[in-house]
This record gives sequence, C-alpha cells and structure tokens, in this order.
Amino acid sequence: DAGVIQSPRHEVTEMGQEVTLRCKPISGHDYLFWYRQTMMRGLELLIYFNNNVPIDDSGMPEDRFSAKMPNASFSTLKIQPSEPRDSAVYFCASSYSGQIYEQYFGPGTRLTVT
Amino acid sequence: TQLLEQSPQFLSIQEGENLTVYCNSSSVFSSLQWYRQEPGEGPVLLVTVVTGGEVKKLKRLTFQFGDARKDSSLHITAAQPGDTGLYLCAGGDFGNEKLTFGTGTRLTIIP
Repeated sequence: DAGVIQSPRHEVTEMGQEVTLRCKPISGHDYLFWYRQTMMRGLELLIYFNNNVPIDDSGMPEDRFSAKMPNASFSTLKIQPSEPRDSAVYFCASSYSGQIYEQYFGPGTRLTVT
Repeated sequence: TQLLEQSPQFLSIQEGENLTVYCNSSSVFSSLQWYRQEPGEGPVLLVTVVTGGEVKKLKRLTFQFGDARKDSSLHITAAQPGDTGLYLCAGGDFGNEKLTFGTGTRLTIIP
C-alpha cells in the first residue's frame, strides 16, 4: 500500500491567493482527518470525515477554510483567501472504524504564505 | 477539554544512554498511542496501549500505560541517533472519535 498521499509537498503563495491541498487516504479506510501543525500550537485537528461525510469541523479556524471529500479516495482542504498566519504544515491522516485511533499520516504539505 | 502534557519538552542525550519521557493528563483515556515524527515527515504510529498497567515493548522502546489510564511513559534503552525525532502521545476516549495529541517531546541523540 502506498500510504496516505498528499500534494503538493510544498506550497508558497502570496497573501490573498487561494490554496488547495489534496489528500488520498489509504484504501479501505473510512475516516479521514485534516490537521495543522505549528511550533506554537502543536498538532491541531481541523476537520474529520467518516464515509465521506464531514463529522466535526469545529477546529476549522474560520470561514476562509473549507474541506470536501467527494469520494472515498480523495479530499481537499481549501484556504481562500490565504493569510500569512496560515503558514504551517498541514497533514492528512486516515484510519478505519475498527481501529479509529490508529491513524496513518501523510507526509504533509508545508504551506508558506508571504 | 482533555489535555496531554508531555515532559520534558526537549531532551538531548548521548548515544548509548537511557531515557524516559512522560505523558500526563488529569483525564482518563480509553487508549493511548505513541507516535514518532521525523523532520519533514508525518507522525508514524509506534504503539497503542489500552489496558491500565499495560506494558509493551518494541525493540529498545518500552511503553507503559498508567494504572488509572491517565498517564503513560516511553523508555528508550541504549539510545541511537535513529531515535531522534518528535515523540507525540495521543489519547482516545470512548464515544469520541477524535484523538487528543500531547505537546510533544523533541529528542536528539548525539552520536
């Protein structure tokens, strides 16, 4: 299995631009989680899906952030418009309902907003 | 809100030494996971403990879940440079599908 795949690995953009991060979970996993990691705040859960349905988006910082999961093999996290304070590493993780807490993380997308 | 405090926050030791890092909370967890994250990569799951008092060994790493399921420790014997990384504990709670991640211990093993 290829593991969780994220793209791009690095993204540099200017303030005000739209950013889209992509994730392909492990096949057969029915949970997908989006996290953000910074030195100051550590690893924060933004939103998670079960069977492609968003369950809890209470961690999404504000309306500029949105996430979708159109099918079991693909999810996006969009930031529009981006701001410098959004600079962080964004991780996607997946798990299956039998072992929901054993999450498998992707390599992350390092986002820099200038 | 459940919190997991890890200590120490930073640890730098010589190759071959032993070390212990801690993960503490005032809340009870149904299970606890330990992850290791290397620079530029995502966290990788090392172990899951679910029973109070449980001890699991993974080569030179020994994980223990506290009797009351509120705390955990990770002991590394004869540390090697390959053990360098950020160690994160994470707790799961019955009826809650979200993991609570700890504050992390950044470990550096000096050759």
